[in-house]
Amino acid sequence: EVQLVESGGGLVQPGGSLRLSCAASGFTFSTYWMSWVRQAPGKGLEWVANIKQDGSEIYYVDSVKGRFTISRDNAQNSLFLQMNSLRVEDTAVYYCASQVWGGPFDYWGPGILVTVSS
Amino acid sequence: DIQMTQSPSSLSASVGDRVTISCRASQSITTYLNWYQQKPGKAPKVLIYAASSLQSGVPSRFSGSGSGTDFTLTISSLQPEDFATYYCQQSHSTPRTFGQGTKVEIK
Repeated sequence: EVQLVESGGGLVQPGGSLRLSCAASGFTFSTYWMSWVRQAPGKGLEWVANIKQDGSEIYYVDSVKGRFTISRDNAQNSLFLQMNSLRVEDTAVYYCASQVWGGPFDYWGPGILVTVSS
Repeated sequence: DIQMTQSPSSLSASVGDRVTISCRASQSITTYLNWYQQKPGKAPKVLIYAASSLQSGVPSRFSGSGSGTDFTLTISSLQPEDFATYYCQQSHSTPRTFGQGTKVEIK
């Protein structure tokens, strides 16, 4: 059974940092692009970043460029999102999701809440 | 960036109704269009990929059509478990973008 499980969320003050992790199992993690997608409370879905199978290509939405860093460890079947200089508008549930390039986000984790507030 | 616009934003329907949701891209995305269903407090679930291909395990009452800039998700006979929010998403270009969602409510 495919499983993606996020961790590392919580409450942080504006300007602070958090590191999200996503543990994958039940599929060959190293053969998939991986993404982070977020959803602010009561709002729609927003793709945040993705990373190629070997980490050689990485892309970000403009609003997080220079503040967030996506990475992966294929030996540990794990995906990460380092979030620095957090803003109130980064408050959201963050999902990790797998994807085939050009295809849908086919497997999703349950999500983890990040709250940025003073 | 490619903008995705869904219509309507919400709709009310009864069990057994045929429901149609539209999605328009700001430029051609050929058939790089996916549809998701999301229920409250849950992660989205892919229903349709490549505009018209049914994801494994998804009931056949769901179907997708379209190409270029105009796409449609159809639920042929709405079931109680289908009341949810539906999103389209393009996988043609980065950044990947979603429509704003269509909430399907019980009439």
